[in-house]
Amino acid sequence: EAQVTQNPRYLITVTGKKLTVTCSQNMNHEYMSWYRQDPGLGLRQIYYSMNVEVTDKGDVPEGYKVSRKEKRNFPLILESPSPNQTSLYFCASSVGQSNEKLFFGSGTQLSVL
Amino acid sequence: GDSVTQMEGPVTLSEEAFLTINCTYTATGYPSLFWYVQYPGEGLQLLLKATKADDKGSNKGFEATYRKETTSFHLEKGSVQVSDSAVYFCALSYRTSYGKLTFGQGTILTVHP
Repeated sequence: EAQVTQNPRYLITVTGKKLTVTCSQNMNHEYMSWYRQDPGLGLRQIYYSMNVEVTDKGDVPEGYKVSRKEKRNFPLILESPSPNQTSLYFCASSVGQSNEKLFFGSGTQLSVL
Repeated sequence: GDSVTQMEGPVTLSEEAFLTINCTYTATGYPSLFWYVQYPGEGLQLLLKATKADDKGSNKGFEATYRKETTSFHLEKGSVQVSDSAVYFCALSYRTSYGKLTFGQGTILTVHP
């Protein structure tokens, strides 16, 4: 089954404690990205990757890091989380440069206390 | 910059009622337009799309027409069901944007039996 898998589904942490949210896709997609969803703001792109070892900032990259060492994986790293990073996070993937269809993971609800 | 504005919700309807969710956009170029749906506890799924002016996207009884003159892409369904209860997002993207979507804020739809 074609899918984007994120883990964990829920995460509660404290300010300053480094964390990683994993994302993996099994469709051999070139493009992957991370979004955060906040009430009244819709989804905003954090980072994206066009292929292995190629990443770039989205609209709200501050406080986040990413890496793309393998085509299937695109982890999101918060090295020093703060309460304003409490949000619902989604990973997405698609084929190459096409914007025809994005496949989304089920989301990670993060709470930073 | 580009932006998408959706009608404020939540929207509450009875089963078999007619649905309209308004979406307008501001764009510097000629984007493709999308409606994504998010069911409770799940990631976003593509509902329908239109890639150029006057195109009509349709799926599962939902329709939306790309109106360049009014910069709109309103979502409609003639008879909603309880199973249509979800959050609906309007979005735009460009062919060269590596799948980046600019989302509206989302509209919560609740359908009662």
